[in-house]
Amino acid sequence: AQSVTQLGSHVSVSEGALVLLRCNYSSSVPPYLFWYVQYPNQGLQLLLKYTTGATLVKGINGFEAEFKKSETSFHLTKPSAHMSDAAEYFCAVRPSNFGNEKLTFGTGTRLTIIP
Amino acid sequence: DTGVSQDPRHKITKRGQNVTFRCDPISEHNRLYWYRQTLGQGPEFLTYFQNEAQLEKSRLLSDRFSAERPKGSFSTLEIQRTEQGDSAMYLCASSLDPSISSTDTQYFGPGTRLTVL
Repeated sequence: AQSVTQLGSHVSVSEGALVLLRCNYSSSVPPYLFWYVQYPNQGLQLLLKYTTGATLVKGINGFEAEFKKSETSFHLTKPSAHMSDAAEYFCAVRPSNFGNEKLTFGTGTRLTIIP
Repeated sequence: DTGVSQDPRHKITKRGQNVTFRCDPISEHNRLYWYRQTLGQGPEFLTYFQNEAQLEKSRLLSDRFSAERPKGSFSTLEIQRTEQGDSAMYLCASSLDPSISSTDTQYFGPGTRLTVL
């Protein structure tokens, strides 16, 4: 079974400051990990994903995340926040084995950017 | 636009009525997923199809819910005798078959927001 915990349902940062959104996962098999962003009244857009290989993955809009197996974490960062980053962010996990591709999501973190 | 589309975007209905939503996946994608997202929560898996075959259903999918993908292209999700607890955003996603593609990212549609009065 898989689960995701996102620490902090609301995060506020000043424009230009570092963005750090936390995600911890639980998985009985090696995981694939994802970050999605959701703007109001819209669907989910993939920011980045980790499957295999390099543990630091870069995504769109300047975001990146690092897979740390020892800490079961996949935190999302961006060096300098922009007003357009204000949205809800979801971390998701799924098993890496075939036949079980449904995603399990966390409860989300709402990111607010302070001008 | 070749993304995932959903129709309608919004649906308001009275308790006890039946509703049907449609999802059109990305054309070359043979996997299609349905998720439900309630206010303040992340999406929860409901069911998925490989072509026209429904391969898995969540226990969240009660007997009042039925999903079809008759020709392996678009899919419909029907809710019979709607209840207020069915109010949610219903999201559709599609992907390539992960057994034949290394790129099986799920791409989401804009969702159908259902309000049951």
